[in-house]
Amino acid sequence: QVQLVQSGAEVKKPGASVRVSCKTSGYTFTSYYLHWVRQAPGQGLEWMGLINPSSGDTFLSRKFQGGVTITRDTSTSTVHLELRSLRSDDTAVYYCSREGGTPGTPLRWFDPWGQGTLVTVSS
Amino acid sequence: DIQMTQSPSSLSASVGDRVTITCRASQSVNTYLNWYQQKPGKVPEVLIYSASSLQSGVPSRFSGSGSGTDFTLTISSLQPEDFATYHCQQSYKTPFTFGQGTKLE
Repeated sequence: QVQLVQSGAEVKKPGASVRVSCKTSGYTFTSYYLHWVRQAPGQGLEWMGLINPSSGDTFLSRKFQGGVTITRDTSTSTVHLELRSLRSDDTAVYYCSREGGTPGTPLRWFDPWGQGTLVTVSS
Repeated sequence: DIQMTQSPSSLSASVGDRVTITCRASQSVNTYLNWYQQKPGKVPEVLIYSASSLQSGVPSRFSGSGSGTDFTLTISSLQPEDFATYHCQQSYKTPFTFGQGTKLE
């Protein structure tokens, strides 16, 4: 079955960087876009960006441009999310999710999701 | 960016109740609107995609409707396992924004 398994929790100091990984299995890695969504404690969901694993092309929400990079490794079917210059308000659970629906169209949804990675930013 | 507003933010209900949650978009998203359920400490799961299509395996007591800017998620007869937070999300334009969530308690 389709699985997205994320790397473990991280604790970082303000100004540091962190990389969160999402290893996929159970399907053809290059056939589906992958997205990153975060959820601050007690808050709603916030879409960060996506990657086309086939081409490596990414699209980031304007809010995260400059501070976030999404990459993929086709040899391990893994996508990575790098966050730089961390601040306390970056403390959140970060989820990867595979896109369902029709690629290249607005008919898309997020399913399944990784188990989430808690990133805590604290001095 | 398209703003998604859910109402109410929280809702008190009982087993067997019919429950309706509303999601309003700041501009038309056609029918590109999805609903997710998130139980405490768990990962979100898609219930409804494209405004009214039931995801495989989701009980038929869940239904969605709407188009343009106004959408609803209805649970016809609330079950104990349905007490959770519900999120709407538009997939019409990037960034793919979510509503703030509705906690059903």
